[in-house]
Amino acid sequence: GENVEQHPSTLSVQEGDSAVIKCTYSDSASNYFPWYKQELGKRPQLIIDIRSNVGEKKDQRIAVTLNKTAKHFSLHITETQPEDSAVYFCAASSGNQGGKLIFGQGTELSVKP
Amino acid sequence: NAGVTQTPKFQVLKTGQSMTLQCAQDMNHEYMSWYRQDPGMGLRLIHYSVGAGITDQGEVPNGYNVSRSTTEDFPLRLLSAAPSQTSVYFCASSPSQGPYEQYFGPGTRLTVT
Repeated sequence: GENVEQHPSTLSVQEGDSAVIKCTYSDSASNYFPWYKQELGKRPQLIIDIRSNVGEKKDQRIAVTLNKTAKHFSLHITETQPEDSAVYFCAASSGNQGGKLIFGQGTELSVKP
Repeated sequence: NAGVTQTPKFQVLKTGQSMTLQCAQDMNHEYMSWYRQDPGMGLRLIHYSVGAGITDQGEVPNGYNVSRSTTEDFPLRLLSAAPSQTSVYFCASSPSQGPYEQYFGPGTRLTVT
């Protein structure tokens, strides 16, 4: 089955700096890769996603890149702000099984003012 | 439109007791899933369903049962609770046609003593 590895587990940056979180997946059939943000005590919320037919996607300060050959994808946050502090999860889903998301272990991002 | 709802929000069980965590969605989503979240472990898929009458095991199904008699409801049953099942449980739903964003419920915090 699918296995998703996420690094780093913790990341501390200064406000205004960029943050990069990386994930690798094992199942070459995976074709949907979302990123979720979870604030303390709250539910995960989708922040950006990418399909396997796209190499990069941007939404304001957030971007995701996908390398299908290497089976890895990354989240890039530019101009970080204190409100970006949260736990971020990557995930992968194969085929049309959108309900079967396999998540990485999470990255706790801390943005220091 | 309430989205994904879960009950109860908090529950304390004694070892060996049984209970059902309720999950409902009003978005007419075909896909529904149950995850558990433990510190440092990310979100792990317990069971998922691609439609009424169809369920399948995820990464950590042992000790849990599910059924899907309607599109709206996807209850998770613990037949004989164990301390290892102490966790936060999230239910999620997503459409079968793209985009595949999973919508999470608010979670149930379960403690087994």
